[in-house]
Amino acid sequence: DGGITQSPKYLFRKEGQNVTLSCEQNLNHDAMYWYRQDPGQGLRLIYYSQIVNDFQKGDIAEGYSVSREKKESFPLTVTSAQKNPTAFYLCASNPGANTGELFFGEGSRLTVL
Amino acid sequence: AQSVTQLDSQVPVFEEAPVELRCNYSSSVSVYLFWYVQYPNQGLQLLLKYLSGSTLVESINGFEAEFNKSQTSFHLRKPSVHISDTAEYFCASYSGGGADGLTFGKGTHLIIQP
Repeated sequence: DGGITQSPKYLFRKEGQNVTLSCEQNLNHDAMYWYRQDPGQGLRLIYYSQIVNDFQKGDIAEGYSVSREKKESFPLTVTSAQKNPTAFYLCASNPGANTGELFFGEGSRLTVL
Repeated sequence: AQSVTQLDSQVPVFEEAPVELRCNYSSSVSVYLFWYVQYPNQGLQLLLKYLSGSTLVESINGFEAEFNKSQTSFHLRKPSVHISDTAEYFCASYSGGGADGLTFGKGTHLIIQP
């Protein structure tokens, strides 16, 4: 089945540690996105990539980093510089047909202890 | 800049009652409009979308939404809800140009009471 796979589903980390969230898609989509979701705040864009080896900052990129070395993969690193990293993180992709429709993964819940 | 407003953060309804989740958008250009549904601890799934053509769009599970350009609205409705409809619903608009043109509302939590 085609889709987007995020891992891990749940992750705990201590303050000061970096953590990387995985996002893999087999939909052959060009564009990939990372969103952060907090209760009552909707979705906020962290980073996006419209093509391999290229990515742009979204609205809340500070304290995060990404890479796009392969079309299928768009990992997100939450660094120790992110002041409030506890959240639900969603990865999404778009085929590039300029309709804006996104396909989402199941999400990763990060809790900082 | 465009914006999407979901007027209600929570909507409680009784099972088998009708429901309307409100969504208003603001954009100076033509937009595509979407409703996504999110069940607890899961990602978002596309429920329905308006790209062009008929202003009334329907989903396979009984939801419908109507694009109203004069009122800049895209309200979601269902004539009779089920317990399984309990979820968070997000309205979104897209005005082109990639990620910068995509805007989500803050979501409406639909709570179905038996």
